[in-house]
Amino acid sequence: GAVVSQHPSWVICKSGTSVKIECRSLDFQATTMFWYRQFPKQSLMLMATSNEGSKATYEQGVEKDKFLINHASLTLSTLTVTSAHPEDSSFYICSARRQASTDTQYFGPGTRLTVL
Amino acid sequence: QKEVEQDPGPLSVPEGAIVSLNCTYSNSAFQYFMWYRQYSRKGPELLMYTYSSGNKEDGRFTAQVDKSSKYISLFIRDSQPSDSATYLCAIHEATDSWGKLQFGAGTQVVVTP
Repeated sequence: GAVVSQHPSWVICKSGTSVKIECRSLDFQATTMFWYRQFPKQSLMLMATSNEGSKATYEQGVEKDKFLINHASLTLSTLTVTSAHPEDSSFYICSARRQASTDTQYFGPGTRLTVL
Repeated sequence: QKEVEQDPGPLSVPEGAIVSLNCTYSNSAFQYFMWYRQYSRKGPELLMYTYSSGNKEDGRFTAQVDKSSKYISLFIRDSQPSDSATYLCAIHEATDSWGKLQFGAGTQVVVTP
């Protein structure tokens, strides 16, 4: 159990366009979802935390108007990178956590974004 | 100083050897300890999850937690080339209801045939 999917797995877009990434928990309800970005040979950097039906909480330095997060249901969260630029090119990974307070995070396979 | 310290490696071992990985942490409020494995260009995969001091074994993997020393370890027995990956330790506080994780830098492991 605890499978998380992401779509798309990779995307290439032109500078200035917006890109939406979906994160789904397939076999459990996720009360909390997290979005990370990861640069090559670096650890994961938390961007934001979202609870279903609530506004996301962004980490310091992450622009909330640029990285729009929607957590509309207990199985789906979306990250929209608005007006993407080449410096937004990165590996974006979501994770989901079940309701139990002692549970941990289960990660999706990641989405590779390349902005030309 | 980072809250979780982990040597980034790379750590190269011959096939069949024991891989020994470890992390240290500074916050005694950390109560939940995890090890994730991440292959290149993939999401992290949960390997081990524990919340008490002592050892936890699962197949070829053993996780060890020493809360008094704020030190956690992961051992991989009979290592295989397919174990070549980056291993991330992750910890979170019991009082953090959202379960935000503090990650180590990740140790790159290379198992040579």
